[in-house]
Amino acid sequence: TQLLEQSPQFLSIQEGENLTVYCNSSSVFSSLQWYRQEPGEGPVLLVTVVTGGEVKKLKRLTFQFGDARKDSSLHITAAQPGDTGLYLCAGAGWGNQFYFGTGTSLTVIP
Amino acid sequence: DAGVIQSPRHEVTEMGQEVTLRCKPISGHNSLFWYRQTMMRGLELLIYFNNNVPIDDSGMPEDRFSAKMPNASFSTLKIQPSEPRDSAVYFCASSLGFIEQYFGPGTRLTVT
Repeated sequence: TQLLEQSPQFLSIQEGENLTVYCNSSSVFSSLQWYRQEPGEGPVLLVTVVTGGEVKKLKRLTFQFGDARKDSSLHITAAQPGDTGLYLCAGAGWGNQFYFGTGTSLTVIP
Repeated sequence: DAGVIQSPRHEVTEMGQEVTLRCKPISGHNSLFWYRQTMMRGLELLIYFNNNVPIDDSGMPEDRFSAKMPNASFSTLKIQPSEPRDSAVYFCASSLGFIEQYFGPGTRLTVT
């Protein structure tokens, strides 16, 4: 079983649509990161959220950390083909523990 | 900054051969991670170093895998002997502290 479950696993949408990706766990994390990975490359860090309930915005991307620090969401407004990629959440526990989520593969169709 | 550097980018080898993957972390970072990524299992942490010392190697699949970090600017992941099920993309990542990791481009390993 995976510690961090992401949903949906696959998502294919038209350019201009909005979408939300979820990252859920039964465990509490000290912080949570979101990464995006493009084909043939390594994951690239997008954001870190630390405080329960925290909301961060990165252009058209909005990240939220759950109040209980067990879950997070990524919302993309007006998706563009350049948003295509694998989105990974990652949680840091206390005591040098780090876990990646199962991943959400997003395809934005022009 | 050049980012995390990995070599080789692609490796094709026959079953039973020794494979060595190399990583140069970002200068100044004190943590280094080795990951393996496959379609079936996603991104798996193999081993984690802090200040060149292995901290957690619980993700290393078996004794055929070994990793070293002789100094702050170099690490290796060795598989001996290699098996077809080791075929995957292997990533090295570094960070200052523990979270917010910066990944290299990966090494695509194919064992035939």
